[in-house]
Amino acid sequence: EIMMTQSPATLSVSPGERATLSCRASQSVSSNLAWYQQKPGQAPRLLIYGASTRATGIPARFSGSGSGTEFTLTISSLQSEDFAVYYCQQYNNWPPVYTFGQGTKLEIK
Amino acid sequence: EVQLVESGGGLVQPGGSLRLSCAASGFTFSSYSMNWVRQSPGKGLEWVSYISRSGNIIYNADSVKGRFTISRDNAKNSLYLQMNSLRAEDTAVYYCARDGKSEGDFDNWGQGTLVTVSS
Repeated sequence: EIMMTQSPATLSVSPGERATLSCRASQSVSSNLAWYQQKPGQAPRLLIYGASTRATGIPARFSGSGSGTEFTLTISSLQSEDFAVYYCQQYNNWPPVYTFGQGTKLEIK
Repeated sequence: EVQLVESGGGLVQPGGSLRLSCAASGFTFSSYSMNWVRQSPGKGLEWVSYISRSGNIIYNADSVKGRFTISRDNAKNSLYLQMNSLRAEDTAVYYCARDGKSEGDFDNWGQGTLVTVSS
């Protein structure tokens, strides 16, 4: 099973600043990586797929990069609605054994 | 607008069974593979099961293999998860999730249904 490790566990950033979240895979997942945002009491929302493609309706301040084992989600200028938990997920396997990272909580500094 | 609405959750004793449903609308259900993903209280996300568009290909996580069965009825635009031999560690919010453009990402999620396994 491919293990996904996110860092940091908690990130404190001020509104208007840039946030950089990291995700590492235990083996190469090529570009088969997605990022999700989850707010309390809500389902996750897809932000990025294919490591760098924004999902429909996702603002341009969200960007993803990386391939292989190292990935980054960057939020260029934090808005109040961006404070949430973010998960990465790999989907490189077939048959599917999809795995998620443990999440990074983005909180207001 | 894509909508996924789960139902069927509740309190069940260890060893018991439960059947979850997910009603889909706003898209051509038979054109998409579907999944169940769960989240234990206060914890992270865990993929549970996958089913192909026609229902002829099914995969499950090792943690539920032999106990959970995913199925679908394309005529009814519905996804199901039959859960047997439930354990305390199966307690979670269960989400149905649609496969996205990369076929492995999940581009739409339901609101979730809570399953609690406890005596």
